[in-house]
Amino acid sequence: DAKTTQPPSMDCAEGRAANLPCNHSTISGNEYVYWYRQIHSQGPQYIIHGLKNNETNEMASLIITEDRKSSTLILPHATLRDTAVYYCIVRAHNAGNNRKLIWGLGTSLAVNP
Amino acid sequence: DAMVIQNPRYQVTQFGKPVTLSCSQTLNHNVMYWYQQKSSQAPKLLFHYYDKDFNNEADTPDNFQSRRPNTSFCFLDIRSPGLGDAAMYLCATSRDLRLAGTSYEQYFGPGTRLTVT
Repeated sequence: DAKTTQPPSMDCAEGRAANLPCNHSTISGNEYVYWYRQIHSQGPQYIIHGLKNNETNEMASLIITEDRKSSTLILPHATLRDTAVYYCIVRAHNAGNNRKLIWGLGTSLAVNP
Repeated sequence: DAMVIQNPRYQVTQFGKPVTLSCSQTLNHNVMYWYQQKSSQAPKLLFHYYDKDFNNEADTPDNFQSRRPNTSFCFLDIRSPGLGDAAMYLCATSRDLRLAGTSYEQYFGPGTRLTVT
C-alpha cells in the first residue's frame, strides 16, 4: 500500500502557482520523497525528489516540513501543459533488491485558462 | 532524443492470441521495469530486470512473461490475453541502485495501449 495520501483533484489558474500537498506521516528516516507526473496517455515523468531539505529544479520546488510528515510540490507558474496526475512517492535508497516504487492514486491537477 | 522507446504505441489483439510488446532504451541503464496501468489507476509493477536477473512481483499472473536479451531491449509477452488484460503497458529504466548516491529516478517510455477484442 502507498505510504502517501494526496487530494484526488485540484484546480489552478494558468500563470498562478500550483501547490500540491502530500501527507507521508509514517515516513522513515532514510526515505526520500519523490514526485512524478503523468500527462494523459503518456508515461510518468520524474519531477523532483528530496530527503529533508527543500529542493528546486527547472520544473518545480519541493518543500518538506521539518518533521518530514508532509511535503508540497510547487509549480511556480502553472501552464496548460502542466495538467496531469501528480504522484507523491516515498522510498528509501538503500532498499537492497527491492526496487519497487509504491504508487498511490495521485492528484489530478487541472490548469485552467 | 528518445531514451525509452516502446513499440507499438497501440496494439490490438484477439482474446487468447499471444502478443509481445517491446521496449528499448538508449540510457544503458541496468534496471528495466514493466508496469501495467488500467484506466484511472496507478501504475502496477509486473516485474523488473536487474541486468539479467529477473524479479517477478508475487501477484503478477503467470500469463505475463518477460525477456531481456541484452541491456537495451526488454519484451513483455502475454501468452493468452484476456479482456481484463486491456491496459496501458509502461516500460521504465533506472540506474544501478547499488551505486552510492543513486536515486530512484525512473525513466518511462510513452507506453503501449493494448486492446483485447
